[in-house]
Amino acid sequence: GAVVSQHPSWVICKSGTSVKIECRSLDFQATTMFWYRQFPKQSLMLMATSNEGSKATYEQGVEKDKFLINHASLTLSTLTVTSAHPEDSSFYICSAPRPTGNYGYTFGSGTRLTVV
Amino acid sequence: QKEVEQDPGPLSVPEGAIVSLNCTYSNSAFQYFMWYRQYSRKGPELLMYTYSSGNKEDGRFTAQVDKSSKYISLFIRDSQPSDSATYLCAMSANSGYALNFGKGTSLLVTP
Repeated sequence: GAVVSQHPSWVICKSGTSVKIECRSLDFQATTMFWYRQFPKQSLMLMATSNEGSKATYEQGVEKDKFLINHASLTLSTLTVTSAHPEDSSFYICSAPRPTGNYGYTFGSGTRLTVV
Repeated sequence: QKEVEQDPGPLSVPEGAIVSLNCTYSNSAFQYFMWYRQYSRKGPELLMYTYSSGNKEDGRFTAQVDKSSKYISLFIRDSQPSDSATYLCAMSANSGYALNFGKGTSLLVTP
């Protein structure tokens, strides 16, 4: 249980275009969703925290106008990379705390973004 | 200084060996400690979850937390080639808070 489905698993886009990444909680309600970014051979770095029905909280150094996060329902959170540039190429992963009574966090399968 | 330090390896061991992975941290507020396994750029998969200090065993895996030393370990007994992956330690101060990850240790178990 506590599955988060993330799509797409990989995407290639042209510089200047926007890309939307979706994370859906399939069998539980995710009131909170964390968005991480992982560069090659690096750790997962928290980008932002989204809570259903409210504005996302961004970590220092993350441009909120570039990385738009929407968490309009208890089962869907989206990350839109606007005006993507090659330096935005990375692995993006969402994560949600498991429901009460379970331990840890469940992760999406990740999205590999390549901007050309 | 990063809050969580983890040797990235790579670590190569023969099949059947005992593997020891560890992380150190600087934030004494961390209470929840986890180990995740990540295969070739997939989402992390939870292996072990520990609250506060102590040991926890699950099959071939044992997690240890020493809060006084700010040091956590994961032991893998009878390692298998299928254990080859990147192992990430993660921790947080409160349940439901975002996790702080180590860089991950790349493990290769050779037949």
